[in-house]
Amino acid sequence: GQQLNQSPQSMFIQEGEDVSMNCTSSSIFNTWLWYKQDPGEGPVLLIALYKAGELTSNGRLTAQFGITRKDSFLNISASIPSDVGIYFCAGQDYGQNFVFGPGTRLSVLP
Amino acid sequence: EAGVAQSPRYKIIEKRQSVAFWCNPISGHATLYWYQQILGQGPKLLIQFQNNGVVDDSQLPKDRFSAERLKGVDSTLKIQPAKLEDSAVYLCASSRGQVYNEQFFGPGTRLTVL
Repeated sequence: GQQLNQSPQSMFIQEGEDVSMNCTSSSIFNTWLWYKQDPGEGPVLLIALYKAGELTSNGRLTAQFGITRKDSFLNISASIPSDVGIYFCAGQDYGQNFVFGPGTRLSVLP
Repeated sequence: EAGVAQSPRYKIIEKRQSVAFWCNPISGHATLYWYQQILGQGPKLLIQFQNNGVVDDSQLPKDRFSAERLKGVDSTLKIQPAKLEDSAVYLCASSRGQVYNEQFFGPGTRLTVL
């Protein structure tokens, strides 16, 4: 089946730093969703992207739908301690099939 | 607007026993999803309903897993009999439809099979 790759797998950053992570696929997608998951909770939707090249912001978060339709990027500016968690990308292809990436684990050091 | 509700939050059973999970989606959401999330991995789609019809169940182990959404609202996922490898968090999500399909997740049910 389809697979998404996320990088990095994990990252440790200092509070106040900016963060970049990405998600890639060998297949073309028509939707990219970015989620954050805290321990013991379900994933929470951060940003949804529906068009190639689309750039969308949600507070300190910015995500982009790659022009090739095979990748997406998430940036977090001026990180704070509550940004700690696991960030998942999810893509939907033209056959309406959904797949999640393995996640990027973010740790923020004070 | 109330979120996706799931119960129970935790369940511990022995292998070969049966278990059922319940999900109530956000009001008005036509599409409902069940995911399995094994520790350290991303969610894996088990089954997707559009109203009370199945859209995708290609990754559902049908010899032991079953799911239904009889009235197009709430849904149950059953495992019978459970295996050790079924230990995971079972997440339910819903979305308005299949076009603008932002999925909203419930808190999940953590299943431990001993």
